[in-house]
Formats: sequence, C-alpha cells, structure tokens
Amino acid sequence: QVQLQESGPGLVKPSETLSLTCSVSGGSISGYYWSWIRQPPGKGLEWIGYIYHSGSTNYSPSLKSRVTISVDTSKNEFSLKLSSVTAADTAVYYCARSLRGYSFGPFDYWGQGTLVTVSS
Amino acid sequence: EIVLTQSPATLSLSPGERATLSCRASQSVGSYLAWYQHKPGQAPRLLIYDTSNRATGIPARFSGSGSGTDFTLTISSLEPEDFAVYYCQQRHNWPPTFGQGTKLEIK
Repeated sequence: QVQLQESGPGLVKPSETLSLTCSVSGGSISGYYWSWIRQPPGKGLEWIGYIYHSGSTNYSPSLKSRVTISVDTSKNEFSLKLSSVTAADTAVYYCARSLRGYSFGPFDYWGQGTLVTVSS
Repeated sequence: EIVLTQSPATLSLSPGERATLSCRASQSVGSYLAWYQHKPGQAPRLLIYDTSNRATGIPARFSGSGSGTDFTLTISSLEPEDFAVYYCQQRHNWPPTFGQGTKLEIK
C-alpha cells in the first residue's frame, strides 16, 4: 500500500521560504506525477504544481513565480519550496500522486496533510 | 481557470437515504471530472474519476454521471462512514481546479 507523508516546519515567518518534503513508501516514485495541493483554513483545495520522476515540472500560474518542486528518486521523495510567504500562504499542505498515466489528477494517493502557519 | 461550483454546500440526510451531490463547471470539462471524499484529519480519498469510473476499492453504492458542465455524485444508500466532505476536481484545463466542497452530515 502506497503511503505519502509530508514533513517540514509548521511555522514560517513572513517573507521567508516554506519548505516541505513528501516521503513515499510502499511504491516507487518512478513512473508517476507527484503534486502538491493546499487548503487554506475554511477554503477549498488549490493545486500548486507537479513533478514527474524525470524532474519535469508544471506549476499553477498563480504561484509559478514563487514555487519550486524537486524530486530525489534515490530517497523516494519530492519537495516543495514556496518563497516570500505571507499570511495568505497559511494552509494545510498535501502531497498527492496522480493515477498512472495521468498528470493533473485524478489523485489516487494523498498524504494526511501538514498545517503550515505563516506568522512572525 | 475553470471554476467548479458544488451544491448544496451542506446536505443533511440519514443513513439508508440516497445522496445526490452536484458539481457545475464554468465551462466544459468534457468527461474529465473526479470526486473525492475527505474526512477530518485523514487523507482525501479518490472515489470516481473521468465522470463515472470508480477508483480501486470503492463500493458500488458510489456512482458518478454527467458531461460537459454538469456532474452528479450519487450515493445510493448512505452508510454511517459516508458522512464527510466531498470535492469535485477537473483536469480538462490547466490548471486543475477543485470545487469548494459539499459537507454531507447526519440528519
């Protein structure tokens, strides 16, 4: 059974960089598209971007200037960096896998999510 | 980007009843619509993809229908574990987008 687990700081200061890692167990990172998705408190889900195991990426236009997603196939994990954060970036951040052969979803495996709060 | 509007925002039903959840797109998404179930503190769960395909392990009481801009998730007979928030998601246009969710609560 594939499992995804997000990790990283739960508190980030405004203007700094948010960094999260998603560790994948029970399956290989190869051959799939891996996404980051977030949910601000009381709001809906927002797709941030994806990475393929080869390293190719695609980002949401609204976040593209601040987002970097990278992959480490040797560790079976991928990471998110979001720069110049503000309070509007406070959210539960999820990592997720797209169904094989699909890129922008559907997302068949998700992590449980990690709350990141942006505050001084 | 495509906006998905889900209705109702909250649906109050009893176990054994039939649930009908709606997702309307601001423009056509073809058949590229998925549904997820989300319970507090848990990972979201893929139920239906490409309008009507049940994901692996999803019970037959969950079904999806629709095309273009109007889609429906139907739960034929509610079980106690079905009470959760449900989201729709389109992958027809970049970027992929989600609806705001329908909360299915016990009446």
